[in-house]
Amino acid sequence: GAGVSQSPSNKVTEKGKDVELRCDPISGHTALYWYRQSLGQGLEFLIYFQGNSAPDKSGLPSDRFSAERTGGSVSTLTIQRTQQEDSAVYLCASSFFSEAFFGQGTRLTVV
Amino acid sequence: AQSVTQPDIHITVSEGASLELRCNYSYGATPYLFWYVQSPGQGLQLLLKYFSGDTLVQGIKGFEAEFKRSQSSFNLRKPSVHWSDAAEYFCAVGDYMNYGGSQGNLIFGKGTKLSVKP
Repeated sequence: GAGVSQSPSNKVTEKGKDVELRCDPISGHTALYWYRQSLGQGLEFLIYFQGNSAPDKSGLPSDRFSAERTGGSVSTLTIQRTQQEDSAVYLCASSFFSEAFFGQGTRLTVV
Repeated sequence: AQSVTQPDIHITVSEGASLELRCNYSYGATPYLFWYVQSPGQGLQLLLKYFSGDTLVQGIKGFEAEFKRSQSSFNLRKPSVHWSDAAEYFCAVGDYMNYGGSQGNLIFGKGTKLSVKP
């Protein structure tokens, strides 16, 4: 596609349920990033994939969070046993040796 | 580890006035530096970037930024602000040293919200 696509755009889930957030990067982009944006907190780095290298998972806030990237393309961020503090906008970005292009994000609300 | 500090959480300027948004970084070498803008309800858009060379870089929408190694700063400027510039601005540093020269991980500051008075 022409840009980074994220789905769903909005997700409301009950506390304790698992959720999966999807990111389709720009074709050919080797780098893929996940960030979390909470009100007043800026962009919190979660995880970074670069080509076939081991991902940088240093930003994942707990073991309830995980992400994978299949075939160097689509990525899924999974949050298990969601908590209310997980409510935020989750942003995905991709790049190829230059600027990162961002998707519109998934707004997650845990009730 | 690299980090980015944007000291000003919220700035208000009058339309037509000049603007400077501050950004300080911590990194062990010459960094890759970026400014992004996020308008209300919109995604993040790159304003400008610095990789090497001329320390004064020009971006879109009339913005520019100057890399000052001695001050570990990359401040964003605009000579005359327009009402449409009201948005949140994020500075970011790319960690290329550990990623074979590619852009590497991108670490963002907490952002500066810009309000514009008519």
